[in-house]
Amino acid sequence: DSGVTQTPKHLITATGQRVTLRCSPRSGDLSVYWYQQSLDQGLQFLIQYYNGEERAKGNILERFSAQQFPDLHSELNLSSLELGDSALYFCASSVGIAGVTDTQYFGPGTRLTVL
Amino acid sequence: AQSVTQPDIHITVSEGASLELRCNYSYGATPYLFWYVQSPGQGLQLLLKYFSGDTLVQGIKGFEAEFKRSQSSFNLRKPSVHWSDAAEYFCAVVGTDSWGKLQFGAGTQVVVTP
Repeated sequence: DSGVTQTPKHLITATGQRVTLRCSPRSGDLSVYWYQQSLDQGLQFLIQYYNGEERAKGNILERFSAQQFPDLHSELNLSSLELGDSALYFCASSVGIAGVTDTQYFGPGTRLTVL
Repeated sequence: AQSVTQPDIHITVSEGASLELRCNYSYGATPYLFWYVQSPGQGLQLLLKYFSGDTLVQGIKGFEAEFKRSQSSFNLRKPSVHWSDAAEYFCAVVGTDSWGKLQFGAGTQVVVTP
């Protein structure tokens, strides 16, 4: 158990809908990262937050947005869902902002299925 | 373009045999290197990491990896595989200016036979 929690574990929804994925980092960690794992794209970095502020962006679609709240939990919002958004979404957390040397601890993921 | 390559999509190994998983990277400068393992239905767990110093890195679960700058490689090894090592293994890199954005290889699926 990494100490990172993600809810829900599974999510099934229809195209065009909007969903919210939630992540609670390990106690004491200030950085949260979101990754997407799909069959065709593999594991891709989406976005990073540190202490409530966006710090880095990867291949995140405009239909996707995220935020980190004062209690440090983070939410990833996916809207206008398409079939291709079906994937496993991971959240990771680390202690500081210097993610290069910080270890990222991964949650168990949320499996999103878009029908 | 920066890239991480795991040439082997799938490896089958007998229990008790040795295992080596290959990882090659293409970066402007030497990045920071990681190996993660993903067991079925689980998140990713860090096995080991290399930032600098000794090029042979010891990790958890009896794994080690060797950084070879001349070959741009960071191969993962285990002398004797256990059935519980069956999983998917990912090599990942972070560029020195990438703020912790892990870039992953495609992964290698390891099957362990009795």
